[in-house]
Amino acid sequence: QVQLVESGGGVVQPGRSLRLSCAASGFAFTDYGMHWVRKAPGKGLEWVAFISYDGSGQYYADSVKGRFTISSDNSKNTLYLQMNGLRGEDTAVYYCAKARGLSTLTNVLDYWGQGTLVTVSS
Amino acid sequence: DIQMTQSPSTLSASVGDRVTITCRASQSISSWLAWYQQKPGKAPKLLIYKASSLEGGVPSRFGGSGSGTEFTLTISSLQPDDYATYYCQQYNSYPLTFGGGTKVEIK
Repeated sequence: QVQLVESGGGVVQPGRSLRLSCAASGFAFTDYGMHWVRKAPGKGLEWVAFISYDGSGQYYADSVKGRFTISSDNSKNTLYLQMNGLRGEDTAVYYCAKARGLSTLTNVLDYWGQGTLVTVSS
Repeated sequence: DIQMTQSPSTLSASVGDRVTITCRASQSISSWLAWYQQKPGKAPKLLIYKASSLEGGVPSRFGGSGSGTEFTLTISSLQPDDYATYYCQQYNSYPLTFGGGTKVEIK
């Protein structure tokens, strides 16, 4: 079965960096795009970033553009989110999620991990 | 960016009730809309995509409709397991955007 397991969250000071990982199993990782979505305390879901199945395309929310970088290592079936210049408003549970398919299904998220908490605080 | 507005933000209903949640897009998104269910401390779960296509394994009491800018999620007969927060999401264009959520509470 599909499993997505995030790691790398923690408490970090404003302005510092953190890298999140998402280990994927149970599906052909190289065949699907992947997303990061976050949920701040008391707020709703916010899409963060997407990487295409072959890594050739990346898209970002305006709130993280220029600070966050999404990448993947197909040899390790692992998705990453490099977060630089962290701010208090980046405090959230970060989820990785699998694209349901290609083409019009690329941006439907059919499996999600359990999330990893990032707290930005001095 | 396309703004997604859900209503109501909170809904109180009893087991067996018919529940309807509305999602409006700030511009036409054709049928490129998905619905998710999230319970506290859990990952979101895909319910519906392309406005009305039921994801495999999702009970048939869940239904979606609409196109353009107006969409609805209907639960035909609310069950105890359905108390959760529901989100719509447009995937017509980047950045992908979610509605603010509708919390379905026990009446």
